[in-house]
Amino acid sequence: GQQLNQSPQSMFIQEGEDVSMNCTSSSIFNTWLWYKQEPGEGPVLLIALYKAGELTSNGRLTAQFGITRKDSFLNISASIPSDVGIYFCAYMNYGGSQGNLIFGKGTKLSVKP
Amino acid sequence: EAEVAQSPRYKITEKSQAVAFWCDPISGHATLYWYRQILGQGPELLVQFQDESVVDDSQLPKDRFSAERLKGVDSTLKIQPAELGDSAMYLCASSLRGADGYTFGSGTRLTVV
Repeated sequence: GQQLNQSPQSMFIQEGEDVSMNCTSSSIFNTWLWYKQEPGEGPVLLIALYKAGELTSNGRLTAQFGITRKDSFLNISASIPSDVGIYFCAYMNYGGSQGNLIFGKGTKLSVKP
Repeated sequence: EAEVAQSPRYKITEKSQAVAFWCDPISGHATLYWYRQILGQGPELLVQFQDESVVDDSQLPKDRFSAERLKGVDSTLKIQPAELGDSAMYLCASSLRGADGYTFGSGTRLTVV
């Protein structure tokens, strides 16, 4: 599968601040997904994007599917301590018959109360 | 809410020993995935099943790893013999179709000593 580049690798922010992270690739994708993983748990889907230019919100989270289809952004507004975790972008790889998810390396978010 | 069940949650084993992990997907999900997540990295696909058939095991180290899903429901991932580098989180996921309903279990944290 193609490599996804996530940045930043880690973030340390104050509670109440807004957060922005992004994911880029050299290849074009038809689906971008954003997951959150808390310590000792599996990743949980936050937002799925299916169309170039699409902007989708889920509470305080907003994600956008880049126009070039090679990137995506995730923003978190007014961060709270429970936002702590690792955020992964992923794309659906259809090399196999049913498709499977390929993940980036993640952005680790720490929130200081 | 339906979930993917995995056991055990934690496993410590000595190198050269055999170890096995179990996964029970969400009822009705035909596709089952095993991922390995090394600390600080994103999950990486090891094997994908469609019902009882393997559709992608290109990243599975077949000299020591094996996976089966005999009746197309639950699945077992085995490592024999375990090596120090196998220490990781092993995640199981299932999906109804593509990215929709792609749900992860809480994982098995393996430590090889």
